[in-house]
Amino acid sequence: AQSVAQPEDQVNVAEGNPLTVKCTYSVSGNPYLFWYVQYPNRGLQFLLKYITGDNLVKGSYGFEAEFNKSQTSFHLKKPSALVSDSALYFCAVRDNAYNAGNNRKLIWGLGTSLAVNP
Amino acid sequence: ETGVTQTPRHLVMGMTNKKSLKCEQHLGHNAMYWYKQSAKKPLELMFVYSLEERVENNSVPSRFSPECPNSSHLFLHLHTLQPEDSALYLCASSQDPSRGADTQYFGPGTRLTVL
Repeated sequence: AQSVAQPEDQVNVAEGNPLTVKCTYSVSGNPYLFWYVQYPNRGLQFLLKYITGDNLVKGSYGFEAEFNKSQTSFHLKKPSALVSDSALYFCAVRDNAYNAGNNRKLIWGLGTSLAVNP
Repeated sequence: ETGVTQTPRHLVMGMTNKKSLKCEQHLGHNAMYWYKQSAKKPLELMFVYSLEERVENNSVPSRFSPECPNSSHLFLHLHTLQPEDSALYLCASSQDPSRGADTQYFGPGTRLTVL
């Protein structure tokens, strides 16, 4: 079965320090992987996605994510956290397997709350 | 967030009321989606429209009725809701849902409270 796990409900980091928000996935075929961010009382904003090619994907607001096929992970990273990065982060995956048929729903993680302390 | 807009942003309704949520996308996309977001649960996909045809309906109760009059507008008609339907309702759009790499873009959501 397809699934996404974000093992940490909350991540706390000091401003200026590097941050990592973890995501692991399970799909039968090749994954398309996405990260979204949600600020309070707002909708989800697309950050970045992995389709194919270079395992390191760069996205908006200085975020990047590394696709690791052997560990089935797609962790979100930023070298230097800002207080304004405090938000809820969602990982999502879509299975690109041929036998996925028309069921190309995004499978979502539960989200990780990131708190960046000044 | 001007790409996908949603109105109203907040809605409080009684269980016997009828109301509608509206979504409009200004991105030239061909597909639109309704999601329900509840605390401590994954995003729940409710409906998908592609080129104004409903292509997915995920066992949503009939008290939720979607309408997609054209590729830019999407409505969610609500009637006789239950308190457990209180949630953030998110609209999204994308270019082509048949492509796995398709990115969905979200509106700000409507915070619905059912009394």
